[in-house]
Amino acid sequence: GAVVSQHPSWVICKSGTSVKIECRSLDFQATTMFWYRQFPKQSLMLMATSNEGSKATYEQGVEKDKFLINHASLTLSTLTVTSAHPEDSSFYICSARDRRGAGIRNTEAFFGQGTRLTVV
Amino acid sequence: GENVEQHPSTLSVQEGDSAVIKCTYSDSASNYFPWYKQELGKRPQLIIDIRSNVGEKKDQRIAVTLNKTAKHFSLHITETQPEDSAVYFCAATGGSYIPTFGRGTSLIVHP
Repeated sequence: GAVVSQHPSWVICKSGTSVKIECRSLDFQATTMFWYRQFPKQSLMLMATSNEGSKATYEQGVEKDKFLINHASLTLSTLTVTSAHPEDSSFYICSARDRRGAGIRNTEAFFGQGTRLTVV
Repeated sequence: GENVEQHPSTLSVQEGDSAVIKCTYSDSASNYFPWYKQELGKRPQLIIDIRSNVGEKKDQRIAVTLNKTAKHFSLHITETQPEDSAVYFCAATGGSYIPTFGRGTSLIVHP
């Protein structure tokens, strides 16, 4: 199947600093990537939908100025957690859908390996 | 928007038994229903999916059924093995092309 690579897999940062997480589709082009946050033993909470070449669409309650999303190419989306605080500590995971068939039929979304963020 | 309910939240079975996880959805426009397996600390992996024009799909020990009228779909795992232990998520995707996930089911298979 298609591969989505997410980096870093884990990061520890100091409170007040910013952290950038990358999500790359390695063998396919993705017009749309999704960013999720997952708390322990809970489901995947959609934070935003990242569209190549346009602004991301944020879910209600997600601060767009705090979670900056950039989707500069068909294979790369980044999530930057700005001025991180301990309550931002979580597991962040991206997923991407192959552009082939996009807008035509729903297809499988491939997940990155996730990033464990710890803010101290 | 779409709302997906998943039950049970935890399922404990003996090795060799069958396991069934059920999901309901609200948006009649949803037409794609994937099931993902997530092991601790790892990424969700697609294990099986079904489209709205099909009522049942099977892949070895795993099967999924879909009832469009009732808006529910189920995952069936037969002859469970300890390595089936994980969290399973259902999802429904419709006209927005954005998947909505259920809350997950923690499956524990006891040897």
